[in-house]
Amino acid sequence: DTAVSQTPKYLVTQMGNDKSIKCEQNLGHDTMYWYKQDSKKFLKIMFSYNNKELIINETVPNRFSPKSPDKAHLNLHINSLELGDSAVYFCASSLHPEFGFTQYFGPGTRLLVL
Amino acid sequence: ELKVEQNPLFLSMQEGKNYTIYCNYSTTSDRLYWYRQDPGKSLESLFVLLSNGAVKQEGRLMASLDTKARLSTLHITAAVHDLSATYFCAVDKEDSGAGSYQLTFGKGTKLSVIP
Repeated sequence: DTAVSQTPKYLVTQMGNDKSIKCEQNLGHDTMYWYKQDSKKFLKIMFSYNNKELIINETVPNRFSPKSPDKAHLNLHINSLELGDSAVYFCASSLHPEFGFTQYFGPGTRLLVL
Repeated sequence: ELKVEQNPLFLSMQEGKNYTIYCNYSTTSDRLYWYRQDPGKSLESLFVLLSNGAVKQEGRLMASLDTKARLSTLHITAAVHDLSATYFCAVDKEDSGAGSYQLTFGKGTKLSVIP
């Protein structure tokens, strides 16, 4: 059973396009996250979301927007893609982060913007 | 802004040797996490350290946390090739009373264990 899944695994697209990445977790977790890993393998939080609120990293351009249709899904929509958006995007989930539960990561989506 | 620094960033070691990876962070936090990432793969949780003096061991890896020194170590004992991967430490901190917790990752330590 896949705990945190993402689709697609690879995404190649042109500059200026709009794309979405889907994330689903079947762990019953109440908090989900999106991270960006750049070419130097540096990981940075983009969003965290539970059923109460969305926390946005202030450095994330507003072209990026998370959408959560329900507790088990947190999709990432990207408008007007730029070359610098090329990276690996990881979705993650956890139980109550205030108690220090570990985050479980999805397999990643490798985005290449041409 | 919370900063997390790992060293070394690259580590090449022979099988059978011992070594330690260090993780320093810039602000008070009682919670530190270690993850492993294999090339082209996702992140796998190794350890969760939730209090000062916490020590956890799994196989050839042992992690510890000193919150007063703002330092965690990941000690590798008698390394084997299968341990070759990138190891990340991460610290979380509540966002100024907003009730949210976000992880800040170090840059990772790329470990190569040579036969």
